[in-house]
Amino acid sequence: DGGITQSPKYLFRKEGQNVTLSCEQNLNHDAMYWYRQDPGQGLRLIYYSQIVNDFQKGDIAEGYSVSREKKESFPLTVTSAQKNPTAFYLCASSMAGYSGANVLTFGAGSRLTVL
Amino acid sequence: GDSVTQMEGPVTLSEEAFLTINCTYTATGYPSLFWYVQYPGEGLQLLLKATKADDKGSNKGFEATYRKETTSFHLEKGSVQVSDSAVYFCALRPPGGTSYGKLTFGQGTILTVHP
Repeated sequence: DGGITQSPKYLFRKEGQNVTLSCEQNLNHDAMYWYRQDPGQGLRLIYYSQIVNDFQKGDIAEGYSVSREKKESFPLTVTSAQKNPTAFYLCASSMAGYSGANVLTFGAGSRLTVL
Repeated sequence: GDSVTQMEGPVTLSEEAFLTINCTYTATGYPSLFWYVQYPGEGLQLLLKATKADDKGSNKGFEATYRKETTSFHLEKGSVQVSDSAVYFCALRPPGGTSYGKLTFGQGTILTVHP
């Protein structure tokens, strides 16, 4: 079945450490996204990528980095520069191009806790 | 900028009660509108969508009508079930351009349905 796989589901990090969250999709989608979810704040866009080897900052990119070396993969690194990294991170993908039929498909999420 | 405002929760209902979750938006032009649902510990799933004024999106007994005159997209269901307990997110996508995946989300509304 096609879908998005995020790993790990739960991750604990000590302050000062970088961590990388994995996101893999087999939907043949061109575009991929990372959102951050905090209680009572909805979802906020961190980074997005429309094609391989290209990505753009979203609304809250500071303290995060990404890469897009393969169409299927869009890993997110939470660096030590991110001051408040404890959150639920959601990866999503979609077809490219603007169409009413293009919707986001989400992974199951990764919960990061800083100890 | 674009914004989405949802009614504050949590909303607690008895089984078979009528549900309304209000959603209003601020955007330029005619955005596409979405309702996503998030079950405990999971990612978001698309519930329904509408891409132009007066469109009605529907799925699994839920409905929402795109009202341009009131800039609203309220979610309704005639008879809720315990299995509908989840967090519901209203979201918009700006019209045109390359913003096809850059959704703006409301803060989410927690729904709890009791037997």
